[in-house]
Amino acid sequence: GDSVTQTEGLVTLTKGLPVMLNCTYQTTYSPFLFWYVQHLNEAPKLLLKSSTDNKRTEHQGFYATLHKSSSSFHLQKSSVQLSDSALYFCALSPNNNNAPRFGAGTKLSVKP
Amino acid sequence: AQTIHQWPVAEIKAVGSPLSLGCTIKGKSSPNLYWYWQATGGTLQQLFYSITVGQVESVVQLNLSASRPKDDQFILSTEKLLLSHSGFYLCAWSLDWGDEQYFGPGTRLTVL
Repeated sequence: GDSVTQTEGLVTLTKGLPVMLNCTYQTTYSPFLFWYVQHLNEAPKLLLKSSTDNKRTEHQGFYATLHKSSSSFHLQKSSVQLSDSALYFCALSPNNNNAPRFGAGTKLSVKP
Repeated sequence: AQTIHQWPVAEIKAVGSPLSLGCTIKGKSSPNLYWYWQATGGTLQQLFYSITVGQVESVVQLNLSASRPKDDQFILSTEKLLLSHSGFYLCAWSLDWGDEQYFGPGTRLTVL
């Protein structure tokens, strides 16, 4: 069945360092991939989305490239800020009229 | 503009008591609707989704049920609450499969 894997539960970094949050997926259909960010006591909001192979998508300093050959959609940022501390969810919407799937989430904690 | 409203904002309920949580979407006709449950700082667990009035699919029941009595309304309920029902309940909508989801502000439930 369709699934999303996020390998890191918690990532702790010092402000100004680069970050990569891993996301791999499994589906037999042509996928739509999403990254959502959830700040403390708030609802998740869309950060990035893509369905185009090998095309980088960017928003608010974050970027990700969908690689269908490796079934990956890793989230990156070149320099994290304190305000980036949040929960990050990778999600898959397979193009088969089935409900979307969310990964387990990665908590990013940025220290001064 | 589309708006999503959830009620109540927060609830404190006794074990064994009934529960009804509501979600209303304005400004969009025939959206896909979703219910999620989230433990504090935890994974988003999809509970139910609906693509049309009167039709609800269960993903994980957790002794809960859902209904869509109107195009713009999604209800989550149970007749007997368990301690394990405590958490953050999120309603979301999307235009279609493959589209991003827009989350409501959530309802925080505490079961004592």
